[in-house]
Amino acid sequence: GQNIDQPTEMTATEGAIVQINCTYQTSGFNGLFWYQQHAGEAPTFLSYNVLDGLEEKGRFSSFLSRSKGYSYLLLKELQMKDSASYLCAVRTLKAAGNKLTFGGGTRVLVKP
Amino acid sequence: DTGVSQNPRHKITKRGQNVTFRCDPISEHNRLYWYRQTLGQGPEFLTYFQNEAQLEKSRLLSDRFSAERPKGSFSTLEIQRTEQGDSAMYLCASSLGDRSAGNGYTFGSGTRLTVV
Repeated sequence: GQNIDQPTEMTATEGAIVQINCTYQTSGFNGLFWYQQHAGEAPTFLSYNVLDGLEEKGRFSSFLSRSKGYSYLLLKELQMKDSASYLCAVRTLKAAGNKLTFGGGTRVLVKP
Repeated sequence: DTGVSQNPRHKITKRGQNVTFRCDPISEHNRLYWYRQTLGQGPEFLTYFQNEAQLEKSRLLSDRFSAERPKGSFSTLEIQRTEQGDSAMYLCASSLGDRSAGNGYTFGSGTRLTVV
């Protein structure tokens, strides 16, 4: 099976930076995804990494190290609307179709 | 395109009753997934369709659960003889493309089931 770990909760101040870590153990790794989920809403796609390195998209960046089984999502210039859960998900070559396995999510609370 | 649509948004049912949820994926997406999510947890995979074929079912999907996608378009998830432990958000997602693509899922807004 797969083991995906991320912190349960983080708190940060508006305007600051927060880094959400995700570690995973899997065979046949074929991509890591980050999703944002506001309370009571659907998860929305944020980023995708399949090769080592940093992917930047505006205020959000995601990093991957396949040898370490590690990724992080970096949120810069935090805004109140960034308060949400952030889900790390892994896809493997053995998985049927594009099936993703999700971690438990990290709830980020942005304070003024 | 209006994205992935799920109905109903909320369902309250008495224990022992049957419930059925519907998912309409993005029209050109050939892959459809059902997940279950409880409060404070990440989504857990239930089942996956490619077109009308159900290609994978999780062990979480007991005999009381059945899913169909009869014409490769919309899908239904039925839970028979509901139990309180079935209370959760049921999420549907769809995608297009091969496994090498960076295509994430597009999720619907979910159906929140409460079994009383």
